[in-house]
Amino acid sequence: GAVVSQHPSWVICKSGTSVKIECRSLDFQATTMFWYRQFPKQSLMLMATSNEGSKATYEQGVEKDKFLINHASLTLSTLTVTSAHPEDSSFYICSATPGQVNYGYTFGSGTRLTVV
Amino acid sequence: ELKVEQNPLFLSMQEGKNYTIYCNYSTTSDRLYWYRQDPGKSLESLFVLLSNGAVKQEGRLMASLDTKARLSTLHITAAVHDLSATYFCAVDISRGAQKLVFGQGTRLTINP
Repeated sequence: GAVVSQHPSWVICKSGTSVKIECRSLDFQATTMFWYRQFPKQSLMLMATSNEGSKATYEQGVEKDKFLINHASLTLSTLTVTSAHPEDSSFYICSATPGQVNYGYTFGSGTRLTVV
Repeated sequence: ELKVEQNPLFLSMQEGKNYTIYCNYSTTSDRLYWYRQDPGKSLESLFVLLSNGAVKQEGRLMASLDTKARLSTLHITAAVHDLSATYFCAVDISRGAQKLVFGQGTRLTINP
């Protein structure tokens, strides 16, 4: 089945620094990948849709200059949290779809970001 | 704007009992997904429902979709402790731009 790998699983960084999270589709090509943020005991909120070779589409209220998304290949998307602050601490999850309806969306294992 | 609402948000039940989680959504869609999330983990896909009247079953879980009523259900039969988790439904509005909108989640606790 479709597998999405996400790294790192967890990261602790200091305020003001930047953190990069990688999302890879291992056994399929993903023209579109998605980035979500989940705060404790809440649902997943879509941050942006990442399209290979083009600019990401950000959801309302998500700062595109703070959350930089790059989708340089059909198997890799990255999310960089720039100038991180404690309020950016959250669980970040990526997902991808092969584009075939029956597969739906496959989710990465998530990244727990803690900004201190 | 598409809204997806789950009911109940919290559910505590005993092993061996049956229960149903409901997922209502506000606009037309013919694709709905159910996911399971364990604490500290990402999402595990349970069911993909692609058409009106779709019913899928896996073990003690059964999901159905009524696109006319804009309602999906996740039924738990003879619950066991291992099913304790948070369950999310998500609706796909892939008309134009792909987008998956999640319900609030139902936190299910099954007591021995």
